[in-house]
Amino acid sequence: EAGVAQSPRYKIIEKRQSVAFWCNPISGHATLYWYQQILGQGPKLLIQFQNNGVVDDSQLPKDRFSAERLKGVDSTLKIQPAKLEDSAVYLCASSLELQTSYNEQFFGPGTRLTVL
Amino acid sequence: AQSVSQHNHHVILSEAASLELGCNYSYGGTVNLFWYVQYPGQHLQLLLKYFSGDPLVKGIKGFEAEFIKSKFSFNLRKPSVQWSDTAEYFCARRLGNQFYFGTGTSLTVIP
Repeated sequence: EAGVAQSPRYKIIEKRQSVAFWCNPISGHATLYWYQQILGQGPKLLIQFQNNGVVDDSQLPKDRFSAERLKGVDSTLKIQPAKLEDSAVYLCASSLELQTSYNEQFFGPGTRLTVL
Repeated sequence: AQSVSQHNHHVILSEAASLELGCNYSYGGTVNLFWYVQYPGQHLQLLLKYFSGDPLVKGIKGFEAEFIKSKFSFNLRKPSVQWSDTAEYFCARRLGNQFYFGTGTSLTVIP
């Protein structure tokens, strides 16, 4: 079974530039999550989708971050414009179904973003 | 705020030593608890989870965790660690639609 795919793996940009990350979840997984993991901290959930609808985006900084999952499969996370404090690893995860008890999340390798 | 606390930031053990990593969660809500592991250069993966029932949960690779409601704790244990257990360990909690991760514990096992 193929895992969660993310690209690019690494990205270096200057502040005020824009950047986008892509995630392809495991086939058949209805729920998709985007996390931000700053060095020395645990992952922080930014947004989660159930199919193509947003379930929770309460911790997404909406003035600069946006995400979409138009066809309920792939997802993109965008930052515009980037700030120095956005330097982090951005993790994508997917699970079969949000509401069941056994909703193990499968994580991708992450995209390491460095903002200079 | 709903949060998860991990008190040990960096643990160094010799092979065959016993391991216990602390995890405490804040009061309130349904208790859905997880331990994740991230081996060097690999993805985060689930070690074990607790939703209800037997408070002693068995996971993969010989790990177990005990849910103690009175202490708001969900500590991870392994009786005898191996060099291959060197990794970052994260405790996490699901509360409603949100998932909260601790800051992680870096475990180094010396051969």
